[in-house]
Amino acid sequence: EVQLVESGGGLIQPGGSLRLSCAVSGFTVSTKYMSWVRQAPGRGLECISVILTGDRTFYADSVRGRFTISTDNSKNTLYLEMNNLRAEDTAVYYCARHQGDYNPHIDYWGQGTLVTVSS
Amino acid sequence: DIVMTQTPLSSPVTLGQPASISCRSSQSLVHSDGNTYLSWLQQRPGQPPRLLIYKISNRFSGVPDRFSGSGAGTDFTLKISRVEAEDVGVYYCMQATQFPHSVTFGQGTRLEIK
Repeated sequence: EVQLVESGGGLIQPGGSLRLSCAVSGFTVSTKYMSWVRQAPGRGLECISVILTGDRTFYADSVRGRFTISTDNSKNTLYLEMNNLRAEDTAVYYCARHQGDYNPHIDYWGQGTLVTVSS
Repeated sequence: DIVMTQTPLSSPVTLGQPASISCRSSQSLVHSDGNTYLSWLQQRPGQPPRLLIYKISNRFSGVPDRFSGSGAGTDFTLKISRVEAEDVGVYYCMQATQFPHSVTFGQGTRLEIK
């Protein structure tokens, strides 16, 4: 059974840093394209970062230069390192799995972890 | 980035009646490989999104057959043949034609029971 479990969210002051984790099971994280998608309170969905097999990474303009996506294959875990956090980064952060080549849609989502950036 | 526009933003429906949601993209979603990477997601209250339909019209595993997708190019539709109480939530269309450089979502359509 495919499962994605996020952790690491919380309350952080503007300018601070946080690392989110997404522990996966039922598949090997290094064999799938993975993303972080966030949802601000009462708002829609924004895909902010993607990591491909082979570790190529992509970022939305809103987070490029501040956030870093990575994986640890020994822990079968996806990460999002977030630096210089701003109030507008407040959101529920979901890790998401893309099905694969010729099927880039997201087939599984984690439950999400809430990040609140406030003084 | 491709902009996805959904209509309506809110849809009150009577139980047992059909519902339809439209999604229009700012440019064609036909990929150079010939596929169209348009999917539909459901987000029930307090839950993460869940995949319903991918590549326009393919139902994901476990999705009831009352959900169907159609369309081509820039215009797409999600239909629910007979709405049930468990269908309440927000529905999003999503394009992955520009994956991995860009994945974008519609603004969401709230389905509620009259």
